[in-house]
Amino acid sequence: GQSLEQPSEVTAVEGAIVQINCTYQTSGFYGLSWYQQHDGGAPTFLSYNALDGLEETGRFSSFLSRSDSYGYLLLQELQMKDSASYFCAVRPQTGANNLFFGTGTRLTVIP
Amino acid sequence: GAGVSQTPSNKVTEKGKYVELRCDPISGHTALYWYRQSLGQGPEFLIYFQGTGAADDSGLPNDRFFAVRPEGSVSTLKIQRTERGDSAVYLCASSIPGGGSGNEQFFGPGTRLTVL
Repeated sequence: GQSLEQPSEVTAVEGAIVQINCTYQTSGFYGLSWYQQHDGGAPTFLSYNALDGLEETGRFSSFLSRSDSYGYLLLQELQMKDSASYFCAVRPQTGANNLFFGTGTRLTVIP
Repeated sequence: GAGVSQTPSNKVTEKGKYVELRCDPISGHTALYWYRQSLGQGPEFLIYFQGTGAADDSGLPNDRFFAVRPEGSVSTLKIQRTERGDSAVYLCASSIPGGGSGNEQFFGPGTRLTVL
């Protein structure tokens, strides 16, 4: 089976840096993705790690370590609009192309 | 261009009724996925289409749930004899085959289904 665990809630100050962790147990996957979802909105793609290491996309960076079964999303220069839920997800090797999502982290950015 | 659209945005029905939820994917995306999201949880996979055929329906919870994509574009998720536990947001996503190098799926805004 699959499980991806994330902290349920994180609060950070505007302008600061925050890291959202994702620890997983899975029989095999192609890569780790991150999605952002505002309340009532659609999940939107942020980042993807096919290989171990750091991927940087603007203010967002994502990291994967398969040996540690661990990944994280790093958000820099936090803005109020970053307040949302963040999900890590994997595409299992045993499935088709579907994504298996983590439990989600609700980020609240405060002034 | 236009993103993934879903109709209706909200659907309220009574226990035991039949509902249909529609998804219009991004033009040219041959892969289409249905997910279900309960409050405070991540999306849960239901079914995946590649073209007109259901390539993987392992996520459908039981035989009350069925989905079609007859022409390889628009898809309809059908739920028979709805139960209160079916209440959730039903999300549709589409992608190019395999998701591309970024494994990206494009999600619609969802249909919020409430079964009374």
